[in-house]
Amino acid sequence: SQQGEEDPQALSIQEGENATMNCSYKTSINNLQWYRQNSGRGLVHLILIRSNEREKHSGRLRVTLDTSKKSSSLLITASRAADTASYFCATDASNTDKLIFGTGTRLQVFP
Amino acid sequence: DAGITQSPRHKVTETGTPVTLRCHQTENHRYMYWYRQDPGHGLRLIHYSYGVKDTDKGEVSDGYSVSRSKTEDFLLTLESATSSQTSVYFCAISDPGSSYNSPLHFGNGTRLTVT
Repeated sequence: SQQGEEDPQALSIQEGENATMNCSYKTSINNLQWYRQNSGRGLVHLILIRSNEREKHSGRLRVTLDTSKKSSSLLITASRAADTASYFCATDASNTDKLIFGTGTRLQVFP
Repeated sequence: DAGITQSPRHKVTETGTPVTLRCHQTENHRYMYWYRQDPGHGLRLIHYSYGVKDTDKGEVSDGYSVSRSKTEDFLLTLESATSSQTSVYFCAISDPGSSYNSPLHFGNGTRLTVT
C-alpha cells in the first residue's frame, strides 16, 4: 500500500494563481520529499523537509510539514504554464532505505 | 539527468519471454533503485541496491530479479514477462547515505509493452 497519498488527484488553475497540493502519510518518517514529473520524463527532486522542520522554502515553492497530522503541503506561488506537471510526495518507510511515493497530483496551469 | 542512462528506452516483447532492462550511472552513487509507474498507482519500488552485490526487495518484487556486479550498472530482469508487467520502468540513484536522507535522481524511463 502507498505510504503517501496526494490530494487533489488533479488541479487546474490559471497562470499567476497559487497551487496547493497535499500529502498524507501513514507511519512516522525521517523526511518527506516532493518531486515533479513532466510528461514522458523521469522525476525531478524539488525539496526535502526533515521531520523536525515545519516549513521550508525554495524559490516559488513552500512546503509545510505537520507530523502530528502526518501531512504535508506543497504551495507553488504565482504559477506559470511551465509548472504544468505531476507532483509526488515521497517518504521513507519505517526507517529503511526505501523511499515510497504517493500517486501524485496532476497540475495543469493555463496561460 | 544526473548521468543516468536507461536502455532500451522502448521495448515490445511477447508474454513468456525474458527481458532485461539496464540502468547505467556515471555518478558513482551507492544506492540504485528500480521503480515501475502505472496509472492510478504512482511509482512502486521493485528492487533496490545499496552496493555491489547487495540488493533487497521492494513493494512489488514478484516476477522480477536484479543484479549489480558493478557500481555503475543495475540490471532488472523479468524472468518470464506477463502482460501485467507492461509499464514504465524508472531507475533512480542516490548518494550519500540512504534514500530518506538524500534526494533520488531519476533516469528517463523505459516503456515496456508485453503483448
